Amino acid sequence: GEDVEQSLFLSVREGDSSVINCTYTDSSSTYLYWYKQEPGAGLQLLTYIFSNMDMKQDQRLTVLLNKKDKHLSLRIADTQTGDSAIYFCAENTGYSTLTFGKGTMLLVSP
Amino acid sequence: DAGVIQSPRHEVTEMGQEVTLRCKPISGHNSLFWYRQTMMRGLELLIYFNNNVPIDDSGMPEDRFSAKMPNASFSTLKIQPSEPRDSAVYFCASSLQGAGTEAFFGQGTRLTVV
Repeated sequence: GEDVEQSLFLSVREGDSSVINCTYTDSSSTYLYWYKQEPGAGLQLLTYIFSNMDMKQDQRLTVLLNKKDKHLSLRIADTQTGDSAIYFCAENTGYSTLTFGKGTMLLVSP
Repeated sequence: DAGVIQSPRHEVTEMGQEVTLRCKPISGHNSLFWYRQTMMRGLELLIYFNNNVPIDDSGMPEDRFSAKMPNASFSTLKIQPSEPRDSAVYFCASSLQGAGTEAFFGQGTRLTVV
């Protein structure tokens, strides 16, 4: 099948690091993405990584890519309550199309 | 730019009725996508257009679903007749054509069929 797999739920305390994991299926995907969805809103692109990279850092966000295992992770440093949302991993499976995972709900408690 | 605009934000309809969801993509974007989001199935791509032409509609669940893009600034997704299992949040997204370009999502239409 062509499922992008993510764990469904993660709970952390404010100030801790959060790590959200994803496995994807298409080894030919050239870009992999992390999107964030806040309640009642659409998805918003957080960051993306090109498949020839193994790490990308953007302020509090660190993306790690293991192409051999088709594993992608998103680390959020110093997690804040405002980071509470659903996070979607996605791979591009066609020239313009994305296949999304079911999303990981991140709950940050004070 | 106001972003991708969808209407209505919420729709409640009775089973058997026709439902039309509307989308205005970001000006200049030439790819448009319709997604459906449910708890059980997550985010599913229904159909996408490039330059107003439907490219892949393999995600459209049944013949009851149809989508059109008469011009570069407007698209509709129609369900006729609607059924309770169509209840979901429907998202429209647009982007510039090509891998690696960001897809911008609308706020979604929450459809409830009773």
